Amino acid sequence: EIVLTQSPATLSLSPGEKATLSCRASQSVSSSLAWYQQKPGHAPRLLIYDASNRATGIPGRISGSGSGTDFTLTISSLEPEDFAVYYCQQRSNWPVTFGGGTKVEIK
Amino acid sequence: EVQLVESGGGLVQPGGSLRLSCAASGFTFSDYSMNWVRQAPGKGLEWVSYISVSGDNKYYADSVKGRFTISRDNAKNSLYLQMNSLRAEDTAVYFCAKSKTYFFDYWGQGTQVTVSS
Repeated sequence: EIVLTQSPATLSLSPGEKATLSCRASQSVSSSLAWYQQKPGHAPRLLIYDASNRATGIPGRISGSGSGTDFTLTISSLEPEDFAVYYCQQRSNWPVTFGGGTKVEIK
Repeated sequence: EVQLVESGGGLVQPGGSLRLSCAASGFTFSDYSMNWVRQAPGKGLEWVSYISVSGDNKYYADSVKGRFTISRDNAKNSLYLQMNSLRAEDTAVYFCAKSKTYFFDYWGQGTQVTVSS
């Protein structure tokens, strides 16, 4: 099973600042990685798939990069609605697995 | 608009059974594989099960293999999860999720399953 390790666990930032979230895989997943956003009491929302492709309706300030074992989700300028928990997920090998999450909180 | 609506959750004793349902609308259900994903209280996401378009291929997480069964009825635009021999560690919110090449592009609101005596 591929293990995804997300860092940091918590990111404390102010609106307008840049957020950089990391996801590291225990073995190569090529570009088969997605990012999700989840707010309390809500279902996750797909943000990025295949490492760098934005899902429908996702704003341009959110971007993904990386391949192999190291991936990054970047939010260029945090808006109030961006404070949430973010998960990465790989689909390279069964079972598909999720990272433990990074919480982006208001500083 | 894509909609996925789960139902069937509740409180059940250890060793008991529940059947979850997911009603789909807003897309051609028979064209997409589907999944169940769960989230234990205060924890992260865990993929539970996958079913192909026709229902011929089914995959399960090791934690539920042999106890849970996924199925679908394309005529009724519905996805199901039969859960037997439930354990305390199965307590979670269960989401149905539409597949986008093994990613999950649409999710339901979730249904709570609590296993407790």
